[in-house]
Amino acid sequence: GDSVTQMEGPVTLSEEAFLTINCTYTATGYPSLFWYVQYPGEGLQLLLKATKADDKGSNKGFEATYRKETTSFHLEKGSVQVSDSAVYFCALMINQAGTALIFGKGTTLSVSS
Amino acid sequence: EAGVAQSPRYKIIEKRQSVAFWCNPISGHATLYWYQQILGQGPKLLIQFQNNGVVDDSQLPKDRFSAERLKGVDSTLKIQPAKLEDSAVYLCASNRDRGSPLHFGNGTRLTVT
Repeated sequence: GDSVTQMEGPVTLSEEAFLTINCTYTATGYPSLFWYVQYPGEGLQLLLKATKADDKGSNKGFEATYRKETTSFHLEKGSVQVSDSAVYFCALMINQAGTALIFGKGTTLSVSS
Repeated sequence: EAGVAQSPRYKIIEKRQSVAFWCNPISGHATLYWYQQILGQGPKLLIQFQNNGVVDDSQLPKDRFSAERLKGVDSTLKIQPAKLEDSAVYLCASNRDRGSPLHFGNGTRLTVT
C-alpha cells in the first residue's frame, strides 16, 4: 500500500546549522507530496508542497524537491533557528483517488542557541 | 478565514466510558477528515467525509467508534466504550477539493485511565 518513511529522530542541531530530514515514499498512483510542521502546543500546519515530479516546494527558508526517480522528498534548510524546533511530518496524497493524506511517523527537530 | 474548530481541547475519561468530539470545518470545505495521532506517531486516518457521505472508513474501529456529518458541515466522532489504547490526539481536518492541502484543527487530547 501507499506509505511514507521518514528518518528517525530526534535531530539535534545548533543554530545556523544545515538541516536535512529524509523522506521516501511508496505510492500506487501519482501523489502530491507535503511537509507539515507541528510546533509545541499547536496544530499541524502545512509547510510546503509539490504536486508533480521535479517540482520544488519552498516556504520560510525550507525547501524540498519531488524526486520521482528516487521516490524522495527530502526537507532542507540552509540555516536553522531555535524557532524551527518542532515535529516535521512528510505526507502524500494520491490525487486521482481523492484520498486523504498519508503521514510518516514524524521527525523531531531540536535547535539550540 | 476562520480555521478548523474542535472541542473539547482536552478530555480525561475512564475505560469503558463514552466520549464525543466535535469539529467545525472551514466554511466551504466539502471534505472532512478525522485522524488519530498516538504519541510519537504520525496521524492515522479514521474516516473521510465528502459533504455528508462517507468516502473512506476502512480504518475506523466500527465496534466502538462512530462518526457522522449531518448536513455536510459539522461532524462528531464518538467512542463507546473507550479503551486504554484510545488515548491519543484526535485531529479534524478539511479541504476544499481533491488534491488541495488539508487544514487541521488543534485537536482533542484524550486520556483514557
